[in-house]
Amino acid sequence: KNEVEQSPQNLTAQEGEFITINCSYSVGISALHWLQQHPGGGIVSLFMLSSGKKKHGRLIATINIQEKHSSLHITASHPRDSAVYICAVRNAGGTSYGKLTFGQGTILTVHP
Amino acid sequence: DAGITQSPRHKVTETGTPVTLRCHQTENHRYMYWYRQDPGHGLRLIHYSYGVKDTDKGEVSDGYSVSRSKTEDFLLTLESATSSQTSVYFCAISVAGPYNEQFFGPGTRLTVL
Repeated sequence: KNEVEQSPQNLTAQEGEFITINCSYSVGISALHWLQQHPGGGIVSLFMLSSGKKKHGRLIATINIQEKHSSLHITASHPRDSAVYICAVRNAGGTSYGKLTFGQGTILTVHP
Repeated sequence: DAGITQSPRHKVTETGTPVTLRCHQTENHRYMYWYRQDPGHGLRLIHYSYGVKDTDKGEVSDGYSVSRSKTEDFLLTLESATSSQTSVYFCAISVAGPYNEQFFGPGTRLTVL
C-alpha cells in the first residue's frame, strides 16, 4: 500500500463545475503539498499546509491531521485547470531534510 | 520561478554509456533534490543535497551518483545507463530551508535505448 493515496485517479468535468481531489496518507507528517503539472510541462507548487485551510484564487486546500486526509477544491473550473494534480507529504520527525513522498497524481480534464 | 534550469532538456543515449544531468540555480539555495517521474510510480526521490559536498540517498538511488561542488550546481550521473533509467528527471530546490515549498526545474527527458 502506498503511503500517499489520491482519488480519483482520473476526473472529467464540465466547465464551471466544482471539483474535489482527495489525498490520504498513512504516516505522521509535518506538512502536505499540492502540486500542479500541465501536460508536457513543469511542476508548480500550489500549496503547502500543515493544518486548516488555504485559499488562492479559485483553489482551496484543506487538511485534517487527525484523519490523515487532505482535499484540493477547484471552484468554477475552467479548461485551463486541466492538469495532473499531485499530493506530497513530508514525514514528521528525524533528519528528513525536506524529503517528500508523492501520490501518483490525479488527471483532471475540464471540457468547455 | 526560483531560477532553476536543467540541462540537457532532452537526451537519447545507449545502454552502458555514462550520462550526466545538470541542475543549476541562481539564488544560492542550500537544499536541492533530484527526482524521477515514471507512469505508475509518480515522483520518486533519487538523491538530495543539503549543502556543498553534502549529499544523501533517496528511495531509488541505485545506479545513480550525485555531486555538488558548488552551491549553484547539483549533478546527477548515471555511470552506466540502463533502459530502466528511461524517465523524466526533475530537479527541485527548497527555498529558505528544507521545510518549505519546493520549486521544480523544467525537467529532462532521458531515453536509454
